[in-house]
Amino acid sequence: DSGVTQTPKHLITATGQRVTLRCSPRSGDLSVYWYQQSLDQGLQFLIQYYNGEERAKGNILERFSAQQFPDLHSELNLSSLELGDSALYFCASTNSRRLSGNTIYFGEGSWLTVV
Amino acid sequence: GENVEQHPSTLSVQEGDSAVIKCTYSDSASNYFPWYKQELGKRPQLIIDIRSNVGEKKDQRIAVTLNKTAKHFSLHITETQPEDSAVYFCAPKTSYDKVIFGPGTSLSVIP
Repeated sequence: DSGVTQTPKHLITATGQRVTLRCSPRSGDLSVYWYQQSLDQGLQFLIQYYNGEERAKGNILERFSAQQFPDLHSELNLSSLELGDSALYFCASTNSRRLSGNTIYFGEGSWLTVV
Repeated sequence: GENVEQHPSTLSVQEGDSAVIKCTYSDSASNYFPWYKQELGKRPQLIIDIRSNVGEKKDQRIAVTLNKTAKHFSLHITETQPEDSAVYFCAPKTSYDKVIFGPGTSLSVIP
């Protein structure tokens, strides 16, 4: 168990709909990352938050948005869903304040299927 | 922007042979160099890492070597076993906490 919790684990929704994926980082971790992994694809970096503020942005579509709350949990909002958005969405956390904080700890992922 | 490449993209070896995967990065500010292993349907997990002040690190059958001047680091797996079959990702990290994963290398160990 990495200590990173993601919900829901599985989600099936229709095209055009909107979903929210939730992530609770490891206790004490300030950085949260979101990655998208499509079938047989690599880990596409979407966005990173540090202590509530957006720190870095990757290939995140305008239809997607995210935020990190004061309690450090994060949500990834996906709207106007398309079939191509079907993927495994990973949340990961790290605490760069500690020497060991360079390691990225991943949650189990949220499987999103758009039909 | 940052560019991270891995070679090869796929690798097939006989059980017991060695495997080497190379990661090339472009950000000279990178100071931490980990390798992650992802088994099918599971989350990536750290298997070994190295910091910028060290040239080589070994942990049983796996090792990582770093060439900071040339901006690449490599994963070495010796005496490969079927359970080593997975996708391996490098993920160099900068001092500003940004992490970009390489495209991954799919390793198949043939019994």
